[in-house]
Parts: sequence; structure tokens; C-alpha cells
Amino acid sequence: EVQLVESGGGVVRPGGSLRLSCAASGFTFDDYEMSWVRQAPGKGLEWVSGLNWNGGSTGYADSVKGRFIISRDNAKNSLNLQMNSLRAEDTALYYCARSHSSGYYDYWGQGTLVTVSS
Amino acid sequence: DIQMTQSPSTLSASVGDRVTITCRASQSIISWLAWYQQKPGKAPKLLVYMASSLESGVPSRFSGSGSATEFTLTISSLQPDDFATYYCQQYNSYSTFGQGTKVEIK
Repeated sequence: EVQLVESGGGVVRPGGSLRLSCAASGFTFDDYEMSWVRQAPGKGLEWVSGLNWNGGSTGYADSVKGRFIISRDNAKNSLNLQMNSLRAEDTALYYCARSHSSGYYDYWGQGTLVTVSS
Repeated sequence: DIQMTQSPSTLSASVGDRVTITCRASQSIISWLAWYQQKPGKAPKLLVYMASSLESGVPSRFSGSGSATEFTLTISSLQPDDFATYYCQQYNSYSTFGQGTKVEIK
């Protein structure tokens, strides 16, 4: 059974940093691209970042470019998101999602909540 | 960047109704479009990919159609379990979601 379990969320002050992780199981992790998608409270879905099977190709939404860094550790079946210079508008539930080869998301975690507040 | 516009934002319908949700792309995305269903407090669930391919296990009352810039998700006979929010997603260039359509009970 495919499982994606996010962790690392919490409350952080504006300008602070946080590192999210996603533990994957039930599939061959390095066969898949992975992404982070977020959802602000009461709002819609926003793609944040994604990377290919070995982390050699990455992409970021304009809203986080230069502040967030996505990475993966295939030996540990783990996806990460280093979030720096956090802003109030980064407050959201952050989902880890498995990408089918063409780009849609066939499995999602349950999310980890990030709150940026002073 | 490719923008995705869904309509309507909210839809009121009754059990048994035929429901159609539209998604328009700001430029051609060929057929690189997916639809998701999300219920409160839950992660999104994939319904349709490649504009019209039904994900395994999804009831056949759901169907997707369209190409290039205009796409639709149709629920042929709305069931109580279908009251939720629906999102389209383009994956032709990175990824962009529509703003969502909430299907509520009339």
C-alpha cells in the first residue's frame, strides 16, 4: 500500500525557517517524481515545488522561488522541503504528492500544517 | 505561466442531477489535464487524468472531456458522496490548479 507521511510542520515567526519531510513507503521511491502542494486555510490548491527521480531537475512556483529548496534522499525514501525566509502568506497545509510520469498526482499524504505568525 | 479558470465557483444541485464543471486554460495544454475531488479535512483524490481517462476505482458516473484550452468534468447522476470541492490541474508545463468548484446540496 502506498503511503506518504509528512512531518515537520509547526508555528514559525516571519523570516524564520522550517524543514518539512515526507516518508514514502509501499512503492519504489526512485521510480517517481515527487512534489509539494499546499493549501492555505479555506483556499484552493497551489503547486509549490517538484523534482525528478534523482533530484537533478527541480521546479518551483514563483511565489517560493529563491526561498524554498526541494530535495530527496532515495536511500531513505524521503522527500524534503527546506523553507527559508517564511512569510505569513506561506501559512498552509503542505501535502507531499507522488507524480505519475506525465505529471498528475496519483497519491497524496495527509499534509503537515505550517503557520507563519508573530 | 499557464492559468486555469474553473466555473462555476459554487454549484448547488440535488441527488440525481447531472452536473458539469468547466475548466479553461490560458493556453493550449493539449490533454494534460487532471481532475481531483476533495472533501473537508481530506487530501485530494484523483478522478480523471489525461483529460478523459478515469482513474481506477472511480465510479463511472464521473467523466472528463475536452482538449486544448477547454475541459469539462461531468457527474452523470449526483450521489450523496459526491458533494465536495473539485479541482482541475494542468501538467503541460509544471503544474497549476484551478481555483476549485464546490458542489453543495440544493
